[in-house]
Amino acid sequence: SYVLTQPPSVSVAPGQTARITCGGNNIGSKVVHWYQQKPGQAPVLVVYNDDDRPSGIPERFSGSNSGNTATLTISRVEAGDEAAYYCQLWETRSDLSYVFGSGTKVTVL
Amino acid sequence: VHLVESGGDFVQPGRSLRLSCAASGFTFRDYAMHWVRQAPGKGLEWVSGLNWNSGSIGYVDSVKGRFTISKDNAKNSLYLQMNSLRAEDTAIYYCAKALLAEGGCFDFWGQGTLVTVAS
Repeated sequence: SYVLTQPPSVSVAPGQTARITCGGNNIGSKVVHWYQQKPGQAPVLVVYNDDDRPSGIPERFSGSNSGNTATLTISRVEAGDEAAYYCQLWETRSDLSYVFGSGTKVTVL
Repeated sequence: VHLVESGGDFVQPGRSLRLSCAASGFTFRDYAMHWVRQAPGKGLEWVSGLNWNSGSIGYVDSVKGRFTISKDNAKNSLYLQMNSLRAEDTAIYYCAKALLAEGGCFDFWGQGTLVTVAS
């Protein structure tokens, strides 16, 4: 099955930019979604279809996807952005199969 | 949109359990639905999903032949029948609504129900 690779952790100072990568074979040809999960809470969709934002998600969250890497970028990082972030894609439409990345813990210094 | 899971419990290996997800706030019959689980201290794992009319159903390899997903549009409910449970099935199980009838991202999630499999 398709494998999505994320770095285990990313550290960033408040006000700076965090970039979370999600690697996969020719992932640029697929559609990627991103979720934020804070401790003890359910995941929340923050970016979908590579670079769209659901209503209520700040413009500071953006996404891109090209080649073998998709990226979630958090600009002007705030303390409240500290969470785990997961990439996800629809693996095979014919089989209704999805896969998540292993997750990246973002720590705000 | 509101999704409320129930049915989680402490069970012995080999036993069965049925999870339910009560949906409200949207036209349930028009959307694909999914189950996602998270083992203690681990990441998210997609478990199973079905499209709007249950014509397309999928499972992660580790649960194929043991778990069955279904939906009852009249009751606005999603189910996961889990048989032959194993210790590695221990996790919080989340119900999630898909953005589209056939799939897409998961735009709303429930708060989860805990399943513990141990002797």
